[in-house]
Amino acid sequence: DIQMTQSPSTLSASVGDRVTITCRASQTINSWLAWYQVKPGKAPKFLIYKASSLESGVPSRFSGSGSGTEFTLTISSLQPDDFATYYCQQYNSYPRTFGQGTKLEIK
Amino acid sequence: EVQLLESGGGLVQPGGSLRLSCAASGFTFSSFTMGWVRQTPGKGLEWVSVITGNGRNTYYATSVMGRFTISRDNSKNTLYLQMSSLRAEDTAVYFCTKDDVRGGSSDYWGQGTLVTVSS
Repeated sequence: DIQMTQSPSTLSASVGDRVTITCRASQTINSWLAWYQVKPGKAPKFLIYKASSLESGVPSRFSGSGSGTEFTLTISSLQPDDFATYYCQQYNSYPRTFGQGTKLEIK
Repeated sequence: EVQLLESGGGLVQPGGSLRLSCAASGFTFSSFTMGWVRQTPGKGLEWVSVITGNGRNTYYATSVMGRFTISRDNSKNTLYLQMSSLRAEDTAVYFCTKDDVRGGSSDYWGQGTLVTVSS
């Protein structure tokens, strides 16, 4: 199975900050990577596909980059609604696997 | 509007069985790969299984292979997950997911159904 490792596990930031979350794959996944936002008690929200393509309706302050084994999710200017947990997921091969998550907290 | 509504969760004893259902609407169900993802209490997301639109191909996480079976009824727009030999570590909220048309990522998720495995 491909292992996905996110860093940091927890990130403290303030409204207006620029933040970056990193996701590393244990082997190449080309660009077959998605990012999701999860809030307690809510259905996960799909943000980015194919490493850098923004899903329709997702604010442009979210962006993704990377290919191969290293990827990043960047939020350019944090908004109050962005405090949540973020997960990367590879879909290059089965079984699909998630990173362990990065909790974005208010500083 | 795409809607995914899970049902069938509950309390089950270790070693027991349970079947989850997911009623889908708002899209051509038979055209899309569908799946299940779970979230354990206090932990992260874990991919469980998917099934292709025609039902011919299924894939499973290593942790559930041989114990869980995914299936679908395209005439009823419903996805299923039959879970057997349940363990305490299967306790989680189970989400039904729809694959994105571009393949592989999950663009829609249900609200989830809680499965608790405990004696």
